[in-house]
Amino acid sequence: AQKITQTQPGMFVQEKEAVTLDCTYDTSDQSYGLFWYKQPSSGEMIFLIYQGSYDEQNATEGRYSLNFQKARKSANLVISASQLGDSAMYFCAMREGKDTGRRALTFGSGTRLQVQP
Amino acid sequence: DGGITQSPKYLFRKEGQNVTLSCEQNLNHDAMYWYRQDPGQGLRLIYYSQIVNDFQKGDIAEGYSVSREKKESFPLTVTSAQKNPTAFYLCACITLAGAMETQYFGPGTRLLVL
Repeated sequence: AQKITQTQPGMFVQEKEAVTLDCTYDTSDQSYGLFWYKQPSSGEMIFLIYQGSYDEQNATEGRYSLNFQKARKSANLVISASQLGDSAMYFCAMREGKDTGRRALTFGSGTRLQVQP
Repeated sequence: DGGITQSPKYLFRKEGQNVTLSCEQNLNHDAMYWYRQDPGQGLRLIYYSQIVNDFQKGDIAEGYSVSREKKESFPLTVTSAQKNPTAFYLCACITLAGAMETQYFGPGTRLLVL
């Protein structure tokens, strides 16, 4: 069963506008972490933002914020004031309970964001 | 400069050939991971290692092998048993960003079959 679902294969946004990238997840763990990564055409995976399952406040990092709705199991990324350099693939990922020792990430299929001038 | 390096950037494999992808880190972290990314898709876990001389299979380990003889190094061998090796391979290790543990990635290796 897919654990991370990103339903938007592609998104367009005008420069300087805000955009929301959707992510829903499925887990039975009480303790988990949610991550967003940016992947430009060069291929590198750039960490953007993290939300822990017990964090009461939504995470923010500069122009990035994470809209965490635990009951809905959603962790949407909001990018404010879009810039041309934001054009890239964006991946949502989850790390489930640390007790397994694995601590690996499960990734969604990604959303390609294109910022238009 | 602390970080993760991967080499080579591009690698070509002939039919029946084993090839090894390098991953080195100087972040002094124990846990290291190998992921595979196919075009237009997310990453999938191949192997991981939590400590030197120990490693575990991930979700798609068939046709791959790894070793962890040193803390800094976690090479991945793509064997001839891997029938569809063309992909982008990313190495990662866990590190701390503030009070939070997360995975940071190397620049990746693109493997192509001749």
